[in-house]
Amino acid sequence: NAGVTQTPKFRVLKTGQSMTLLCAQDMNHEYMYWYRQDPGMGLRLIHYSVGEGTTAKGEVPDGYNVSRLKKQNFLLGLESAAPSQTSVYFCASSSPRSGGFTDTQYFGPGTRLTVL
Amino acid sequence: EDKVVQSPLSLVVHEGDTVTLNCSYEVTNFRSLLWYKQEKKAPTFLFMLTSSGIEKKSGRLSSILDKKELFSILNITATQTGDSAVYLCAVIVRGGSEKLVFGKGTKLTVNP
Repeated sequence: NAGVTQTPKFRVLKTGQSMTLLCAQDMNHEYMYWYRQDPGMGLRLIHYSVGEGTTAKGEVPDGYNVSRLKKQNFLLGLESAAPSQTSVYFCASSSPRSGGFTDTQYFGPGTRLTVL
Repeated sequence: EDKVVQSPLSLVVHEGDTVTLNCSYEVTNFRSLLWYKQEKKAPTFLFMLTSSGIEKKSGRLSSILDKKELFSILNITATQTGDSAVYLCAVIVRGGSEKLVFGKGTKLTVNP
């Protein structure tokens, strides 16, 4: 099992460009998440999904869109990148216990994005 | 607003020392508390705590939760340079959809 993988590992964008980050998991997890991590800010939830075809906003959703067309993939899109979106992006997945509770989240290796 | 606060923000110790990292929380509907270790890359899971007063142990690491006082501690005994990392605390908050709220982390540096 590869666990949670992210593509790409690094990317440099110019302001206004668009891009999509791909997260894939092979653990058959229902829940998937996108976080950003900035120095001194900890991890902040951007968007998440509790199942195929569903998405929801997290703490810092502005400027991002997501899609979960397949259970194993969760895409994070930046339509018009801004320097404030320079960050390390982590994807995670988890499997809910009975009752729909989230459980331990397994993280991908991260994508370092720089917006000039 | 759900909040998780970790202290100290950073800590420098010598090998062999024992350290205690703190995590306090104020959330609307607590379910569980998680500890992660983050080195260069992605966080890796350490412990999940749901019940008060029950210590979880893994080698030199241990953790306990106090749901009355709304905090958890992570202890590391006989520290090694390999323990140098950022330690993240997160709380699972129940709701229509559960969410995970992270603290900012404690950066631990263990010097030889």
